[in-house]
Amino acid sequence: EPEVTQTPSHQVTQMGQEVILRCVPISNHLYFYWYRQILGQKVEFLVSFYNNEISEKSEIFDDQFSVERPDGSNFTLKIRSTKLEDSAMYFCASSDSGSAYEQYFGPGTRLTVT
Amino acid sequence: QKEVEQNSGPLSVPEGAIASLNCTYSDRGSQSFFWYRQYSGKSPELIMFIYSNGDKEDGRFTAQLNKASQYVSLLIRDSQPSDSATYLCAVSEGGGADGLTFGKGTHLIIQP
Repeated sequence: EPEVTQTPSHQVTQMGQEVILRCVPISNHLYFYWYRQILGQKVEFLVSFYNNEISEKSEIFDDQFSVERPDGSNFTLKIRSTKLEDSAMYFCASSDSGSAYEQYFGPGTRLTVT
Repeated sequence: QKEVEQNSGPLSVPEGAIASLNCTYSDRGSQSFFWYRQYSGKSPELIMFIYSNGDKEDGRFTAQLNKASQYVSLLIRDSQPSDSATYLCAVSEGGGADGLTFGKGTHLIIQP
């Protein structure tokens, strides 16, 4: 069964460094998303992406964040200058144009900022 | 501000019984409703979605939607210990570009 994949599974970085989180969405899906979940808190929407551009973004997705689809399979989230409060699980999700645009999540990348 | 409310639990249910999970949402513009299961340290796994008022059944799971009351529920029949997890309710306005707004989840424990 097709699934969303993410790399790395765990990333440790120092405050102020740039990180790139990678995702491979399900191959025939057209909509891509990033979410984060701080430990013990709810899953929060960051951004959606369709047709090579951002469709919607939340208040969390400020200028330090960017997304890109560098080729036909990868979807990336870049955090330019990491802060301690960026430590969280980051989930990529994708959906097709099904009846409810059901979103399927990848396994996540645990980002630890020290 | 869109809000999705769930009782955090834990909700303890004996094995074989029916588990009933509830969710309310604030945005009347919400059109699609989802239930995800999340095991500790893992990602959300889609169980069911519903977008019409009424009931939708899939195996042991039944989702119920009442848009007038802004209420969504999930029933799990014949509960198994493997159903022990946190259940997340999520809503969207229904378009592909829309992000999901999640509740904090209900921690369900199935007692053998």
